[in-house]
Amino acid sequence: AQTVTQSQPEMSVQEAETVTLSCTYDTSESDYYLFWYKQPPSRQMILVIRQEAYKQQNATENRFSVNFQKAAKSFSLKISDSQLGDAAMYFCAFDQTGANNLFFGTGTRLTVIP
Amino acid sequence: DTGVSQDPRHKITKRGQNVTFRCDPISEHNRLYWYRQTLGQGPEFLTYFQNEAQLEKSRLLSDRFSAERPKGSFSTLEIQRTEQGDSAMYLCASSLSGGALSEKLFFGSGTQLSVL
Repeated sequence: AQTVTQSQPEMSVQEAETVTLSCTYDTSESDYYLFWYKQPPSRQMILVIRQEAYKQQNATENRFSVNFQKAAKSFSLKISDSQLGDAAMYFCAFDQTGANNLFFGTGTRLTVIP
Repeated sequence: DTGVSQDPRHKITKRGQNVTFRCDPISEHNRLYWYRQTLGQGPEFLTYFQNEAQLEKSRLLSDRFSAERPKGSFSTLEIQRTEQGDSAMYLCASSLSGGALSEKLFFGSGTQLSVL
């Protein structure tokens, strides 16, 4: 069975600084997809970044980048130049089939300190 | 197009009552998903539709739950004989499938159900 583990229930970062959120997962499959989603108080889940497992290059979206370590089954999210609007719950998610029936971790609550 | 819409935003009901939620996906999206999110947890997959066909159901979807997407557009999720354990946020999402890759999923803001 697939599991996604986020070991940091809460994190905080000073505005303009960099923070890294951790995620590990377990699967026996070789081809899959990994995601980071942001859930602000509005409750809407917003896709931050996506990584295909067959791609060795780490995905990057503006201030957001990932460190994908396939052998270690690790998928961390780095947020650079943190902004107040980055404050939210962040969920790591795994999709084996490509059909979007995602397995989510329990989330990390990020606080941005002005 | 304003994204995925869910109605109602909040629902309070008494145990044993039936409730129905509605989801309107992004208009051109052919896939529609239901997830459930309990406090302190990430969303859990319940079911998904491609057009009007319900292609997969999680074992979390007990026989008290039924989902429909009759014309391949909006979807309803009904819970019969609600229990306190059904209290959760029910999230709907949609995507446009057209290839082998996992397509981007767009979520609504959810319906928060409280069963008293």
